[in-house]
Amino acid sequence: DAGVIQSPRHEVTEMGQEVTLRCKPISGHDYLFWYRQTMMRGLELLIYFNNNVPIDDSGMPEDRFSAKMPNASFSTLKIQPSEPRDSAVYFCASSFTRLATNYGYTFGSGTRLTVV
Amino acid sequence: RKEVEQDPGPFNVPEGATVAFNCTYSNSASQSFFWYRQDCRKEPKLLMSVYSSGNEDGRFTAQLNRASQYISLLIRDSKLSDSATYLCVVNQAGTALIFGKGTTLSVSS
Repeated sequence: DAGVIQSPRHEVTEMGQEVTLRCKPISGHDYLFWYRQTMMRGLELLIYFNNNVPIDDSGMPEDRFSAKMPNASFSTLKIQPSEPRDSAVYFCASSFTRLATNYGYTFGSGTRLTVV
Repeated sequence: RKEVEQDPGPFNVPEGATVAFNCTYSNSASQSFFWYRQDCRKEPKLLMSVYSSGNEDGRFTAQLNRASQYISLLIRDSKLSDSATYLCVVNQAGTALIFGKGTTLSVSS
């Protein structure tokens, strides 16, 4: 398996622009998670899906952020409009289970977003 | 109070040293526990799960104290390649994995 695949690896955009991050989870994993990592706040959970359905989006910072999972093999995280404080590394992860007992979550390589 | 707290370090140790990291978590309902390793500019990767009875994987030993809500990681005979950030991770009912901010280890020759 190729693992969790994220694109793009790097994104530099101007404030006010729309940004779309993409993720392909590991085939067969029922759970997909979006995290954001900054030096100040560490890794924060934004939202997670189970069988393509959003379960907990309480970590989504504000209405500018939205996430979708139209099918089992694809998810997007969209920021519109983007702001400089959105600059961070965004990770997608997938798992067989939410508790992840014994296996943990498998992370993609991340998208490094810079908003100028 | 943060849900998972770790000493950020850095811990600077020579090769061959033994080093221990600690972590506390706030929610007594936490159900599963892990240590992840994150190399610079890379994604977090599972190092090991942490079981109630404690567990060992080669040079790495993890301990869990549910009464004190405390998790530890011991690394024996440190290698240069152990240099990384170690993330303490917990999971409680109804949520996904919650990560500490990590402890940075630097092993020098």
